[in-house]
Amino acid sequence: GIQVEQSPPDLILQEGANSTLRCNFSDSVNNLQWFHQNPWGQLINLFYIPSGTKQNGRLSATTVATERYSLLYISSSQTTDSGVYFCAVERAGTSGSRLTFGEGTQLTVNP
Amino acid sequence: KAGVTQTPRYLIKTRGQQVTLSCSPISGHRSVSWYQQTPGQGLQFLFEYFSETQRNKGNFPGRFSGRQFSNSRSEMNVSTLELGDSALYLCASSPSWDGEKLFFGSGTQLSVL
Repeated sequence: GIQVEQSPPDLILQEGANSTLRCNFSDSVNNLQWFHQNPWGQLINLFYIPSGTKQNGRLSATTVATERYSLLYISSSQTTDSGVYFCAVERAGTSGSRLTFGEGTQLTVNP
Repeated sequence: KAGVTQTPRYLIKTRGQQVTLSCSPISGHRSVSWYQQTPGQGLQFLFEYFSETQRNKGNFPGRFSGRQFSNSRSEMNVSTLELGDSALYLCASSPSWDGEKLFFGSGTQLSVL
């Protein structure tokens, strides 16, 4: 199956700092999503971004499908940004929404 | 619009018992999928339903089953529970079948003793 690697596994920031999270995948994809898992366990969908660039407030994401990677940018981080960030993909040529998740990046933002 | 609702939030069972978890998707969403999250294996796909039909299934034993009703609500069942089934079970919904943004519920935390 498709492999998804996220880096770094852990990231500690001071409030106000910027960060970049990376997701590499081993095959062509037709679906790529970024999620934030909050301390209560809920997965919040940040972006649906199989290709291109999107922005939502302090967050933005870029997927370069031809090079098989995606980046999530967090600017002016806040303590509420803490949690685990997951990248999830679906291999091209498959149908449905069967996502393969990476292991996540644990982000801690200190005040 | 209400989000994805999963019940119960917490569940404690003993080995050998069976359990049923419930998921109500966002109104108008017709696709429901289930994922298991454990510290060791991470997030793994269980199955996906659309229009009351199972469309995809992950690599889990037959003890894991599910169904979807005509109102798009879904249930998953785990029979003959094992200690390793302790996990957070997450349900997600999307408007239709293919290539859609997923919206997750808060999950059911299952503990098997």
